[in-house]
This record gives sequence, C-alpha cells and structure tokens, in this order.
Amino acid sequence: NAGVTQTPKFQVLKTGQSMTLQCAQDMNHNSMYWYRQDPGMGLRLIYYSASEGTTDKGEVPNGYNVSRLNKREFSLRLESAAPSQTSVYFCASSESGPGRYTFGSGTRLTVV
Amino acid sequence: RKEVEQDPGPFNVPEGATVAFNCTYSNSASQSFFWYRQDCRKEPKLLMSVYSSGNEDGRFTAQLNRASQYISLLIRDSKLSDSATYLCVVNPAGNTPLVFGKGTRLSVIA
Repeated sequence: NAGVTQTPKFQVLKTGQSMTLQCAQDMNHNSMYWYRQDPGMGLRLIYYSASEGTTDKGEVPNGYNVSRLNKREFSLRLESAAPSQTSVYFCASSESGPGRYTFGSGTRLTVV
Repeated sequence: RKEVEQDPGPFNVPEGATVAFNCTYSNSASQSFFWYRQDCRKEPKLLMSVYSSGNEDGRFTAQLNRASQYISLLIRDSKLSDSATYLCVVNPAGNTPLVFGKGTRLSVIA
C-alpha cells in the first residue's frame, strides 16, 4: 500500500548510543518531515526537507541530524542518545504546499 | 503566546451529543488551516481543511474566523468511534511546515 514507512517501530537505547531512524515514502512527494511527540507537548518539528537535496532545522533540532538520501528516503540520526530524546518520532511527507501530510506509523524510542 | 492553542480536554460526551472544539492561532498572516485526528497510539490523519466560508463533511463542520484568529470544529451526533484527539493545525505561510496544536481529547461514552 502507498504511504510512509518508518523503521524500526520500537527501540530501546542506552544513553550515549547512536541510531538512525529510517523513513521512506512511495507517493513521489517532494517534502518530508520529522516530528517528535511527547505527552503534553504535542507534535514538534525536528527537521524537514522541502525537496531532494535540501534540509532545514525545525523547532527542536539539537541532538539530531538528518539526511535526505533521495526523493523517497529521509533519515533521522541520534549521534549520542539522551533520556530527553525518549519520545515517539513521526515521519511525514507531502506535496509541495501546505496541508495534506501523510504520516508514518511512528517509532517509539526509549533512552535509558 | 503559543502559535496554536487548544483546550486539551478531555471532553467526555454521551453518544448522540453535539460537541465543539475551538482553537486560536497567533500569526495573523497564517494562510491555511486544518483539523487532524489522532487515535490512541496511532499517527495523525487529516480530517478536514478549514475555509473562511466554512465547510461541512457529514457530521463534521469546520469554521474559520480570521478577524478573531480562531478555528472551530463541530461534531454532531457523536459516535463512539469519534473518540480520539483532535489536532488544530496551521500553515504559517507558503511552503513552511505545518504547526500543530497540542490537541483536544474527546471521549464519547455509551
């Protein structure tokens, strides 16, 4: 089925470990996004990529890096995980222009 | 002031009730507006766009008041399946990313 695929779905890391969250979409969308969602905080934008070859910081970029590998894939890397990065991470994609985001099913990350 | 503010709820309503949510936004230049729905432990999904003229989709009506900078969502004849968190979403300008409110939780009770 067409959509946004995120891997892994669940992950437990120890403080200081690194990992990459993967995201791929098969809808030929230009724009892709990484959000984190914490209780009481709502969805907060980490990084986004308006088009292949470009990336920009969002509201909470510290501690993260991203790579827009090609039009389909947008990965999020935690170089040295911290307990404050325990969260649910959502990847989304959209055509250029506002509104219709398609989200992946999320990655539940716990840093201990 | 937060960019998008919503009452977090929860709103607990009986089946068949009418319930309304409001949301305010701070950027008067914001260009487009949406309601997303998020079920427990699931991803957000677009529910409907919000237009100045108001728009209706079945039991759901969304309205925008640009002068007062608020957006509303009305749900008529609530169903158990309407239980979810409703996210108010604003596009500040052009191709900038959407800004999400923290959501309003609705529980429809039998």
